[in-house]
Amino acid sequence: QQQVKQSPQSLIVQKGGISIINCAYENTAFDYFPWYQQFPGKGPALLIAIRPDVSEKKEGRFTISFNKSAKQFSLHIMDSQPGDSATYFCAFRTGGGADGLTFGKGTHLIIQP
Amino acid sequence: DAGVIQSPRHEVTEMGQEVTLRCKPISGHNSLFWYRQTMMRGLELLIYFNNNVPIDDSGMPEDRFSAKMPNASFSTLKIQPSEPRDSAVYFCAVLKSNPGTGELFFGEGSRLTVL
Repeated sequence: QQQVKQSPQSLIVQKGGISIINCAYENTAFDYFPWYQQFPGKGPALLIAIRPDVSEKKEGRFTISFNKSAKQFSLHIMDSQPGDSATYFCAFRTGGGADGLTFGKGTHLIIQP
Repeated sequence: DAGVIQSPRHEVTEMGQEVTLRCKPISGHNSLFWYRQTMMRGLELLIYFNNNVPIDDSGMPEDRFSAKMPNASFSTLKIQPSEPRDSAVYFCAVLKSNPGTGELFFGEGSRLTVL
């Protein structure tokens, strides 16, 4: 069963625009919500993460917004650059973390110059 | 610093052959994970180990798949016999033990093609 729904599947944004990727989850026991970035031929790498006691976290041009009541979290990329073109995955884990992460299906982002 | 080395990076084999994928985490972890990535199913967790002990292998698709971790520095994922539907990119990842940030460090993957 799908515990997290990620959208859109693919996204094209003009350079300098805002890229927005959304994830909706079902299980309220999740305690950690990271976003991973993957370039072709590479493994996913952590981009930014948030815990449910915080509504927003910003790191440079990347922001996570978390809506606990709606069970949604989103990634915003401000001033999108061609180098941001990659596949982005939302993920979640339940308490403890030693049992790894479950990932969304991914969003293929293309930033057009 | 935690890092993960996977081999081979690319493997092309024929249906029915045995495939062994290898993972060498560098240091600083106590949990190791095997994921499979396909276009249709995304990233799927196959199995994970804590302190070299398999904890959950419910993601392993069939008995044809097996994984071992004989020590903290080495793990293998074996497929025998392989089938075309096993074609995917297989990733090994580790979780840092201390401090526990929750961050998974992935290798660059092994791309498997079964003809």
